[in-house]
Amino acid sequence: DAGVTQSPTHLIKTRGQQVTLRCSPKSGHDTVSWYQQALGQGPQFIFQYYEEEERQRGNFPDRFSGHQFPNYSSELNVNALLLGDSALYLCASSRDRGLMGAFFGQGTRLTVV
Amino acid sequence: TQLLEQSPQFLSIQEGENLTVYCNSSSVFSSLQWYRQEPGEGPVLLVTVVTGGEVKKLKRLTFQFGDARKDSSLHITAAQPGDTGLYLCAGLGGTSYGKLTFGQGTILTVHP
Repeated sequence: DAGVTQSPTHLIKTRGQQVTLRCSPKSGHDTVSWYQQALGQGPQFIFQYYEEEERQRGNFPDRFSGHQFPNYSSELNVNALLLGDSALYLCASSRDRGLMGAFFGQGTRLTVV
Repeated sequence: TQLLEQSPQFLSIQEGENLTVYCNSSSVFSSLQWYRQEPGEGPVLLVTVVTGGEVKKLKRLTFQFGDARKDSSLHITAAQPGDTGLYLCAGLGGTSYGKLTFGQGTILTVHP
C-alpha cells in the first residue's frame, strides 16, 4: 500500500514565477491538507480539501490556491513567488477529518531565488 | 487563533537518560497527536490521544493528554541514539476541526 506521494521532491523557481505541487493521498483517505514548513519550525496549515472543495484555510494569501480531483489527489499552486515562499511543502492525507492522525508525504522542497 | 507552545526547543542528552517534552495551549483540542520527523522527510505519526487524562505507551515512549485536553507530554525512558530527531506535537479540532496546529518542535539529540 503506497503511502502519500508528492512530486516533485525538489524544485528551484525564480521570484515572480508560478509553481504547482502535486499529492496523491494514501489509499482509502479522502481528505488532503497542505502545510508549509520553514526550516527549524513546525508545519503551518495552508488549507484542506474534502470532496473537491476547500473546507478550511489557514493564514495564507490568495497567491496560494489548490484543487482536489475526483480521485482525491490534490494540487497546490503558488503564484507570484516570493523569496519567503522557500520552504518544505507537506501534503497530509487522512480520513474522518483526521481525528486519529494524518499521514504525511516526504514533502517538496521549494527554493525561490 | 489556536497556539501550541512546545518545550524545550532543544534537548541534548546522553544515552540512557530520561526526558520529557511538553506541549501546552489555552485551547481545547479534539485530539493531540505526536509526530517524529527526520531531516528531509515528512512527519510520521507516533500516537494520537483523544480522551482527557489518557495515557498511551509505545515501548519506551509514554504520552499523556491533560484532563482538560489542552496540554500533553511525551516522556522517553532510557533514550537511545536512534531516538534522535525532531518531535512535533499537533492539536486537532476545537474550533478548527480538521486543521492541525503544530508546536514549534523539539530537536532531540541523544549522544552514545
